Amino acid sequence: TQLLEQSPQFLSIQEGENLTVYCNSSSVFSSLQWYRQEPGEGPVLLVTVVTGGEVKKLKRLTFQFGDARKDSSLHITAAQPGDTGLYLCAGPPGYSSASKIIFGSGTRLSIRP
Amino acid sequence: KAGVTQTPRYLIKTRGQQVTLSCSPISGHRSVSWYQQTPGQGLQFLFEYFSETQRNKGNFPGRFSGRQFSNSRSEMNVSTLELGDSALYLCASSYIAGGSTDTQYFGPGTRLTVL
Repeated sequence: TQLLEQSPQFLSIQEGENLTVYCNSSSVFSSLQWYRQEPGEGPVLLVTVVTGGEVKKLKRLTFQFGDARKDSSLHITAAQPGDTGLYLCAGPPGYSSASKIIFGSGTRLSIRP
Repeated sequence: KAGVTQTPRYLIKTRGQQVTLSCSPISGHRSVSWYQQTPGQGLQFLFEYFSETQRNKGNFPGRFSGRQFSNSRSEMNVSTLELGDSALYLCASSYIAGGSTDTQYFGPGTRLTVL
């Protein structure tokens, strides 16, 4: 069974600090996506990475796809209270799975003013 | 463009009852996927519909079913509700189906509580 493990599960930091969230698997993924979900809302897609070693930047957020396409990271620089939310990585499973997409367990991020 | 809408937003049912949830995708989107989100299991894929046909189905019992109408609106039904069915049910739409990099747009979800 393909799994996506995220760490840490919870993270509470002060505004202005930097942080990194990890998404790891023992399986290769053809692509990985990162979502942010705020309370009372559905997840919103932040980025899709498709090439091993790929780095994408979205303002203060930097996403990296591992060379072997088994892991990904999300780095936030100078975190702001608006970054608070549940961060989810997701990817298409292998051929053995009927599921269209699998999600990691999520990292709940809280930025204190 | 209006986003994905889901109705109702909140629902309380008792064990053994059945429930129907509705999802209206973004105009022009033909793919609708349903997900269950719980604190214990996280976000899990239920099924995907495209042009009124189920394309993919996750590992859920047959009590969970769905359908899609010709206008792309979708409904999911859960019969013989169990306490463990309490969850946030999310619907997502995309323009096309099947692509691993498709952008899915999620609705706000329906919070189902089973007593």
